[in-house]
Amino acid sequence: ETGVTQTPRHLVMGMTNKKSLKCEQHLGHNAMYWYKQSAKKPLELMFVYSLEERVENNSVPSRFSPECPNSSHLFLHLHTLQPEDSALYLCASSHYRVGDYGYTFGSGTRLTVV
Amino acid sequence: KQEVTQIPAALSVPEGENLVLNCSFTDSAIYNLQWFRQDPGKGLTSLLLIQSSQREQTSGRLNASLDKSSGRSTLYIAASQPGDSATYLCAVRPNTDKLIFGTGTRLQVFP
Repeated sequence: ETGVTQTPRHLVMGMTNKKSLKCEQHLGHNAMYWYKQSAKKPLELMFVYSLEERVENNSVPSRFSPECPNSSHLFLHLHTLQPEDSALYLCASSHYRVGDYGYTFGSGTRLTVV
Repeated sequence: KQEVTQIPAALSVPEGENLVLNCSFTDSAIYNLQWFRQDPGKGLTSLLLIQSSQREQTSGRLNASLDKSSGRSTLYIAASQPGDSATYLCAVRPNTDKLIFGTGTRLQVFP
């Protein structure tokens, strides 16, 4: 385990379903991030949370709804997704705006929208 | 706007070769630079983290250098092995705290 745990590892959902992705970190970090990785594209930052407050929303459609109940847990709630939302969703944690620290990533959730 | 470029995009080499992967970035105002490894369909594993004040970092057969003024970093892999086959990603952490990734170098090491 990397210290950042994501569940589920794989998810197949229909366009009318509602599902949630979960991320958990036990590294004592105060910032958590959602990234999207689509085929042939660089990783795209979706959301940044620092001390449970959303500090960044990178023009993500409202069908993606993040939630950060505490500094160790991060969720991404999904509803009425489109097939083009199929991708690998990666969670990461770090210390917000502290340059001495790198990012630690989870293993990702492979999402397929059918 | 910060942009990160990695070359080559793909590399296929026989086992035992020493390799150099390149990363360049357009804005030198960064906290640090991080190299990651990604196996197919998996998450990212951090390999090396170089602070903006540092010139290089080493871990086992890996050595990463940073020349912030010229916007360049290299990842050197000594005595490559088939188990090194993966995609290698370079990412810079600017002062705005948005980690910016390159598109990666896909490495294949064959026996």
